[in-house]
Amino acid sequence: DTAVSQTPKYLVTQMGNDKSIKCEQNLGHDTMYWYKQDSKKFLKIMFSYNNKELIINETVPNRFSPKSPDKAHLNLHINSLELGDSAVYFCASSPPGNYGYTFGSGTRLTVV
Amino acid sequence: GESVGLHLPTLSVQEGDNSIINCAYSNSASDYFIWYKQESGKGPQFIIDIRSNMDKRQGQRVTVLLNKTVKHLSLQIAATQPGDSAVYFCAETRSGTYKYIFGTGTRLKVLA
Repeated sequence: DTAVSQTPKYLVTQMGNDKSIKCEQNLGHDTMYWYKQDSKKFLKIMFSYNNKELIINETVPNRFSPKSPDKAHLNLHINSLELGDSAVYFCASSPPGNYGYTFGSGTRLTVV
Repeated sequence: GESVGLHLPTLSVQEGDNSIINCAYSNSASDYFIWYKQESGKGPQFIIDIRSNMDKRQGQRVTVLLNKTVKHLSLQIAATQPGDSAVYFCAETRSGTYKYIFGTGTRLKVLA
C-alpha cells in the first residue's frame, strides 16, 4: 500500500485554468504538507495542516487554496494557473512531534 | 570532483569509493536535521537523522556529522554504489515549528 499518494502524477494545462491535486496518507499521521520543487530542485514549503487545521501558509498567492476534509487528506486547488506555477508539487505527512516526513511521489504540473 | 554554480552542485565519485556530501544550514536554533535522497521521478526519501545534542550518527553505510559551531552538516556514504546515484538534500527544523527548511541539494553521480 502506498503511504502517501498523490493524483494525478502529471498535469498539463493551459494558463488561466483551475486545477486540483489530491493527496491521501494512510499512515495515521496528524500533519500534512504541500511543498513545491522548482526546476533547480529547490524544495519550498507552501502549506502545513495539523489535524485539519492550517498552521503554515508560506506567502503563497491566494490562487492556491489547500483543503483538508479530514486528517488523511490534503488537497491543493489552484485558480487561474500561470506559467510560473509549473513545478513538481509534493505532498508529505509526518507523525506527532514532526520528526521526519514521508513524501508522495509528486505531481508534475506543466502550464502552457 | 564537486562543481558549484548556477546549476545543482554535482559530486562525481567512483563506484566503491566513499562519498561526502556537505550542507550549510541556516538557523542556529534548528534542533533536528535529516538527510533525504531523491531519485529521478520520485519523492524525497528519509536516509538518516540527527538531533542537535549529537555530533555523529551512523546508519547502514551512511554517517551524518553535525558541527553546530559552523552550522554544517555532512553525509558520508561508504562504498558508494550505482544505486546511490540521486539528489541528496539536507533539511533542518526547530521543534514545534512544523516546518523543514531544505538545502539546495547535491546530485551524486556514481561512475562505474
